[in-house]
Amino acid sequence: AQSVAQPEDQVNVAEGNPLTVKCTYSVSGNPYLFWYVQYPNRGLQFLLKYITGDNLVKGSYGFEAEFNKSQTSFHLKKPSALVSDSALYFCAVRDINFGNEKLTFGTGTRLTIIP
Amino acid sequence: DSGVTQTPKHLITATGQRVTLRCSPRSGDLSVYWYQQSLDQGLQFLIQYYNGEERAKGNILERFSAQQFPDLHSELNLSSLELGDSALYFCASSAQGLLHFGNGTRLTVT
Repeated sequence: AQSVAQPEDQVNVAEGNPLTVKCTYSVSGNPYLFWYVQYPNRGLQFLLKYITGDNLVKGSYGFEAEFNKSQTSFHLKKPSALVSDSALYFCAVRDINFGNEKLTFGTGTRLTIIP
Repeated sequence: DSGVTQTPKHLITATGQRVTLRCSPRSGDLSVYWYQQSLDQGLQFLIQYYNGEERAKGNILERFSAQQFPDLHSELNLSSLELGDSALYFCASSAQGLLHFGNGTRLTVT
């Protein structure tokens, strides 16, 4: 079964510092990987995805993620954190069955940016 | 705004009762997915419908059922409610490999 793991429940970063939110994956075949963000009382919003190609993927709000096949990781990064980046972040992997875009999510990482 | 509409936003009910959650997908999206988000179990996939037919099933309890109607809106029915069913229920629709989520229905069972 496809799965992703987010080893950190909580990450605290000072405003202006670089941030990293970690994700590792376990899949059979090529992975389709995603990052979503959830703000309070809102649904999940798409940030970025990796399907194929360049290992560094750029997404919304200045976020990027690095796909590393040898380490089976897909860490989310941002060079300079903003207080408004504080939210719950989910890594996800897509089902491999054709025509099925079901996502399996990690447990989430709560990111807090400290002013 | 994702374009996915969920109603109601909040629902408070008692144990043993039955409720219906409604989801309208983005215009043109044929697939609807239901997820449950609880504090202790994270985001769990419940069920997927594609153009009116059940496509995939996840960790959905027998007390729960769903359907997708000809106009593509979907309803999730939860019956014999228990305290542990209190959670956020999300609907998503998909296009071009992306899931777009509604803002969810927060269910509180007392």
